[in-house]
Amino acid sequence: GAGVSQSPRYKVAKRGQDVALRCDPISGHVSLFWYQQALGQGPEFLTYFQNEAQLDKSGLPSDRFFAERPEGSVSTLKIQRTQQEDSAVYLCASSLGTSGRTETQYFGPGTRLLVL
Amino acid sequence: AQSVTQLGSHVSVSEGALVLLRCNYSSSVPPYLFWYVQYPNQGLQLLLKYTTGATLVKGINGFEAEFKKSETSFHLTKPSAHMSDAAEYFCAVRDDYKLSFGAGTTVTVRA
Repeated sequence: GAGVSQSPRYKVAKRGQDVALRCDPISGHVSLFWYQQALGQGPEFLTYFQNEAQLDKSGLPSDRFFAERPEGSVSTLKIQRTQQEDSAVYLCASSLGTSGRTETQYFGPGTRLLVL
Repeated sequence: AQSVTQLGSHVSVSEGALVLLRCNYSSSVPPYLFWYVQYPNQGLQLLLKYTTGATLVKGINGFEAEFKKSETSFHLTKPSAHMSDAAEYFCAVRDDYKLSFGAGTTVTVRA
C-alpha cells in the first residue's frame, strides 16, 4: 500500500524566502509528526498532530516555523523568512493510533531544504 | 527525558563479517527502543523494536538486537554483512509519543 509521501523532495530557497513543505500520511493514520534532520545528525522532533489538533509544537526552533493539519490528513510545514541554519532534511512520519508508546512511526522520504 | 547514545559514527565491515552497532539508552521509565535504517535519499525504515517481553528481538533483513537492562544497552547485530546493508542506522527511544534518536552510525561494507 501507499506509504507516507512528501513534496517537494528537494527545495532550494534564497535566504529570506518562505517555503511550504507538504506531507501526505498513510490513509487513516491519526498521528502525524514532523522531524528535522541536520546533516550528520539524527532526526529531531519538531511537532505532533493528533488528527487536526496540534498537541505539541515544543520542537519548533522559532516562531518562523509553523505547521498545520486542517482536515486531519495532509499536513504542511511552513518556514517563513528562511535562514541558512534551516537547511536540513524535514521528515514526516505517521502512526495509526494516538501514539501509544509501542506504535510504529512510518516515515516519508523527506524534503531536503537548502537555503542559500 | 529519554535519550540514546550511539557509539561510533562510522563502521566498516567486510562482506560476510559480523555487523555490530552499539546503542546505549537513558530512561527513567521502562524504555521502548527502536532501530531504523536509512538508505541514501530515502526515509527511515523500521528494522526492529523492543517493547516488552523477550529481550532478543529479531527484525528484517537478518538483523537482531538484544535489550540488556543491566547495561542499558540495545546493540544491533547481523551475523553476516551483505553489500546491501550499507546505509545509516539510527537507534531511538520512545519519549512519550515522540522518538529521540541517536546521531546515527554509517555502515560501509567492503567486498
